[in-house]
Amino acid sequence: EVQLVESGGGLVQPGGSLRLSCAASGFTVSSNYMSWVRQAPGKGLEWVSVIYSGGSTYYADSVKGRFTISRDNSKNTLYLQMNSLRAEDTAVYYCARVPVDTAMALYFDYWGQGTLVTVSS
Amino acid sequence: QLVLTQSPSASASLGASVKLTCTLSSGHSSYAIAWHQQQPEKGPRYLMKLNSDGSHSKGDGIPDRFSGSSSGAERYLTISSLQSEDEADYYCQTWGTGIQVVFGGGTKLTVL
Repeated sequence: EVQLVESGGGLVQPGGSLRLSCAASGFTVSSNYMSWVRQAPGKGLEWVSVIYSGGSTYYADSVKGRFTISRDNSKNTLYLQMNSLRAEDTAVYYCARVPVDTAMALYFDYWGQGTLVTVSS
Repeated sequence: QLVLTQSPSASASLGASVKLTCTLSSGHSSYAIAWHQQQPEKGPRYLMKLNSDGSHSKGDGIPDRFSGSSSGAERYLTISSLQSEDEADYYCQTWGTGIQVVFGGGTKLTVL
């Protein structure tokens, strides 16, 4: 059974840093494209970042240069390092899996339960 | 610009059917989309990938009550035999050339 479990959220001051983790089970993170998607309180879903199975990484303009997506194959875990955090980064952060063999189609077939990041002084 | 448009809200009675709409922006009517359900206080759940010809592939464990169809730039999600647990937000999502992932604004479905 595929499962994604996020952790690492919390309260952080503006300008601070936080690292989110997403522990995967039931599949190998290095075999799939993996993404982070966030949802501000009361708002819709916003794509944040993706890491391809080959290791290439891409980011939304809103986080480029501040966030870094990575994975640890030995731990089967996805990460999101968030630096220079702003109030507008406050959101629930979800990790999500892209199915294999999608011919570069970036849609998500499994999601985690999310972890809340609050940026406030 | 690749944009998905959804009505903010919809409602239907318990046991009835409802059809939710997601509209692709001009010039993007051939794009496939995915539908996701988000129940209150939960993470999203993948429902299906829906192609422009109406063919669709559903996620694991998604009941037959959920189906998809397409017409031009419109993508539909039909839920039949509505149950109380279908009360949720429904998001459509697509992807563009390059690295582009777009979500619609979501439709809040109320089951009366």
